[in-house]
Amino acid sequence: ETGVTQTPRHLVMGMTNKKSLKCEQHLGHNAMYWYKQSAKKPLELMFVYSLEERVENNSVPSRFSPECPNSSHLFLHLHTLQPEDSALYLCASSQDLGYNEQFFGPGTRLTVL
Amino acid sequence: AQTVTQSQPEMSVQEAETVTLSCTYDTSESDYYLFWYKQPPSRQMILVIRQEAYKQQNATENRFSVNFQKAAKSFSLKISDSQLGDAAMYFCAYSRTGGFKTIFGAGTRLFVKA
Repeated sequence: ETGVTQTPRHLVMGMTNKKSLKCEQHLGHNAMYWYKQSAKKPLELMFVYSLEERVENNSVPSRFSPECPNSSHLFLHLHTLQPEDSALYLCASSQDLGYNEQFFGPGTRLTVL
Repeated sequence: AQTVTQSQPEMSVQEAETVTLSCTYDTSESDYYLFWYKQPPSRQMILVIRQEAYKQQNATENRFSVNFQKAAKSFSLKISDSQLGDAAMYFCAYSRTGGFKTIFGAGTRLFVKA
């Protein structure tokens, strides 16, 4: 695998389910990001991690819970989501926080019923 | 607060012709980066081109070039000799130098006609 990978690519869940999104980067980067992409809206930054430490939590509801066990892996744990949380969730990485070019994964298309 | 505005939700261009996508931004910073990212249908977003604000020379990458007007806070992307593979969503983005937060515009969907 190369670049940034995300699993699953598609996820359908009910409002009472608990699920997790996984992101893995194979680039040796130190920073990782979660974004939410909704139709016709700018990308919304959700969380930023640097060397496994969270540096930004952009006013995201607590039903989204990130986890970064090491600099290569990033998870987004989901529980009791709402239909308006349906979106494409993108993971990205960059060399360091000061390096501004980000490399994106293919995203997870999430549908909340 | 910094903002990025892309006023063209959709654009279309004939194959082999030239198209320009517009982007304006607002910031009080003097040192920053600007980006154009491309997101093809069902494919990963990739960086197309990057411009450092302190550089007066406009960045170019093969058929892609920018017109960076710092005083006007304008950053347009020109695609020359358009190809079918250029069809995608294009996002303009801003990041303060040394910062970790990249601000994205809402995107412009580019259609390329054969």
